[in-house]
Amino acid sequence: KAGVTQTPRYLIKTRGQQVTLSCSPISGHRSVSWYQQTPGQGLQFLFEYFSETQRNKGNFPGRFSGRQFSNSRSEMNVSTLELGDSALYLCASRPGLSTNEKLFFGSGTQLSVL
Amino acid sequence: AQTVTQSQPEMSVQEAETVTLSCTYDTSESNYYLFWYKQPPSRQMILVIRQEAYKQQNATENRFSVNFQKAAKSFSLKISDSQLGDTAMYFCAFMLRQGGGYQKVTFGTGTKLQVIP
Repeated sequence: KAGVTQTPRYLIKTRGQQVTLSCSPISGHRSVSWYQQTPGQGLQFLFEYFSETQRNKGNFPGRFSGRQFSNSRSEMNVSTLELGDSALYLCASRPGLSTNEKLFFGSGTQLSVL
Repeated sequence: AQTVTQSQPEMSVQEAETVTLSCTYDTSESNYYLFWYKQPPSRQMILVIRQEAYKQQNATENRFSVNFQKAAKSFSLKISDSQLGDTAMYFCAFMLRQGGGYQKVTFGTGTKLQVIP
């Protein structure tokens, strides 16, 4: 069974631009969550989607948004990029919200904002 | 809100030796899971071990074991017979079970472990 797939692996953008990151969960997994990882901050929760609905949200500004499609694939969008948005963005999937606590992670998208 | 603290940013251990990584957390809840995740240079987070809060017995997975002290809110990871492949970033994490579901995961800032040949 294929793992969690994130594309692209690397991305370079400039301030003010917007970016869209993609995450394909493990087949059969309906929950997708996103995390921002920066040195010294660890992983910070962005949001989680289940059945195309946002179920949980972290403390990030409205520039960070996401969505989930009917096939459970998810996209994360960041508008008006700032230098501080440079980070590794990790996506994780799990079968559901109440059936399994284990997260399966992708290899992330490394975003650099210049 | 839950918090997870890892006070050791970096650690090193000789190959075949034992090392313990520390983690403390803060919560007023009683129903939760604790995890240790490993992130090698490939960047993919891998679950090492997990512990259910209501289980008093410490979890063990081969060379990895935890010391779960619920009253002290401490959750340390012990790696025995360290191997070069254990070199990675290790994250302690907390997941609250609430409302019939598992809520978002809160991670610590990580401990970078270097295994020295």
